[in-house]
Amino acid sequence: AQTVTQSQPEMSVQEAETVTLSCTYDTSESDYYLFWYKQPPSRQMILVIRQEAYKQQNATENRFSVNFQKAAKSFSLKISDSQLGDAAMYFCAYRSDDMRFGAGTRLTVKP
Amino acid sequence: KAGVTQTPRYLIKTRGQQVTLSCSPISGHRSVSWYQQTPGQGLQFLFEYFSETQRNKGNFPGRFSGRQFSNSRSEMNVSTLELGDSALYLCASTTGGPYNEQFFGPGTRLTVL
Repeated sequence: AQTVTQSQPEMSVQEAETVTLSCTYDTSESDYYLFWYKQPPSRQMILVIRQEAYKQQNATENRFSVNFQKAAKSFSLKISDSQLGDAAMYFCAYRSDDMRFGAGTRLTVKP
Repeated sequence: KAGVTQTPRYLIKTRGQQVTLSCSPISGHRSVSWYQQTPGQGLQFLFEYFSETQRNKGNFPGRFSGRQFSNSRSEMNVSTLELGDSALYLCASTTGGPYNEQFFGPGTRLTVL
């Protein structure tokens, strides 16, 4: 069964600094999709960034980028120029047949 | 475009009862997925419906069931509620492809006493 592991339950970053959230997954599939979702406090989950496994180029969305290492089954999220509004729970997710989420990383942004 | 709506937002039930939760996807979205979110187990996939057919199912007991209507609205039902069913139940909709962004609703907070 596919599993998604986020080894950092909590992370903290200073405003305007850069932070990297880790995610590893286990799968025997060759074709799948990876996502990072953000869940702000008491607000709805929203997509941050996504990556197709067959694409070697790392996805980038403004201040958010990923480091996708397929062989290592690693999919980390880098947030540059952190802002107060980035504070949230971040979930890494894997999708093949169904969607599997990691346990989440709570990100705190310090002013 | 209106977002994903879920009703009710909060629900309190007692053990042994059953409950039905509703999800209205974004207009034009044909796929609806359901998730259970708890502090201990995190986000767990329940099932996915596409065009009224269950496409995938997570590892939950048969007490958890769902369906989708022709207008893509979906319901999930939990029978014989247990204390451990207390959770935030999230619904997400997408146009259907696995790479497509899932749009999440605000969730239904179920408390079982």
